[in-house]
This record gives sequence, C-alpha cells and structure tokens, in this order.
Amino acid sequence: DAKTTQPNSMESNEEEPVHLPCNHSTISGTDYIHWYRQLPSQGPEYVIHGLTSNVNNRMASLAIAEDRKSSTLILHRATLRDAAVYYCILGLGNTGKLIFGQGTTLQVKP
Amino acid sequence: DTAVSQTPKYLVTQMGNDKSIKCEQNLGHDTMYWYKQDSKKFLKIMFSYNNKELIINETVPNRFSPKSPDKAHLNLHINSLELGDSAVYFCASSQNSGLVSETQYFGPGTRLLVL
Repeated sequence: DAKTTQPNSMESNEEEPVHLPCNHSTISGTDYIHWYRQLPSQGPEYVIHGLTSNVNNRMASLAIAEDRKSSTLILHRATLRDAAVYYCILGLGNTGKLIFGQGTTLQVKP
Repeated sequence: DTAVSQTPKYLVTQMGNDKSIKCEQNLGHDTMYWYKQDSKKFLKIMFSYNNKELIINETVPNRFSPKSPDKAHLNLHINSLELGDSAVYFCASSQNSGLVSETQYFGPGTRLLVL
C-alpha cells in the first residue's frame, strides 16, 4: 500500500528555516508528492506539490530526492503562523486518490 | 466569500439517527470530495464526484450515501449513526477531473459527535 512516513513532531525557532522530511519508498512513477498543512480547527490547506523536479512557490520549497523515495518541505523563514500539522501526501496516478500520511506537528517558538 | 463551505459546523446526535452534512463550492470546480478525519488526525478519502458522477467510492459502510444535485454541491447522508462515525468530515473540491496533479480546496469541516 502506498504510504508516507513523517516524524510526529518538530520544533523550530521563529525566523529560522525548517526542513520537514518525508519518506515514500513505495512511490510509483505516476504518483505526485503533495504537501498540505492544517491549522487548528481548520481544513487542510495546499502548500506545494511536485512530480520529479524541485519546486518553489511563495509559501515553501519542495526538494525531491533523485530516486523519489523521499522529499523535504522547506519553509525558508518560519513564523508563528506556520505552526500547524504538515501532511506529506501521495497523489496516486492510477486512482486519483490523495493518500495522507500521519502528519508532522510543527511548533514554532518565538 | 467562502470558497468551500459546509453546514453544519457542529453536529451532536444520538446513535441510530440519520443526519446529513451539506457542502457547497463557489469556485466553479468540476470535482468534489468527502474526507473523514479520525481522532488521531488521520485523513482518509471517502468519495469523489466529477460533474455529479461518482468517481471514487472507498470502502465505506453503505450507511454513508453521497448525493450531488449539481456540480457545486455534494451532500453526505449518514443512516443509523454509530459511535464510530464520530469524526471531522471535510469536503473538498478541485478544478477539473480530479487528477492527482490538481490542488484540492478544503472546507472548514463538520465535527460530528455521536452519543
């Protein structure tokens, strides 16, 4: 079964970069890697996604390993508003489903 | 304007009752989804509809029945509620045919508590 593995929790200091790792060793060639985050009492919010190449947007960067079995979400300067649960997700190319991991709870300290 | 909205936000009910959760999106998207988030925060897809047609139907008890009257609405009806149905239910939408390269936009969730 397709799945992702993430650390349960991580801490960061405000204004510092954060690297959130994810393993997805069962990924297949047509599966996308997505990251969403969920703030308390809200629905998940899209952060970034990619297939093979590294991706950048205004929120974050996504670094994808060459063999695609792992990826890292990079928040360049963490703010207190970035405290959330970050989900690493496989988008299965053969079924159209998003398979959520268990998420990493990011705590940002002032 | 809220892009994806759900009603009600909270739902407390007794075992055995039948209840519905409504979802509406004003994004003009073609595909809508229902997800369930359990007490351990694990999110799982239940259903997806594309232009009122059922696309994804996960292994969900047949007490759960989605209904899409038009492509902007996807409602979830639950019969004979059980304690294990207590969870947060999220509706989501995506622009086109639900390709895995598309961004999904989630609603705020409906917190269901079955007593």
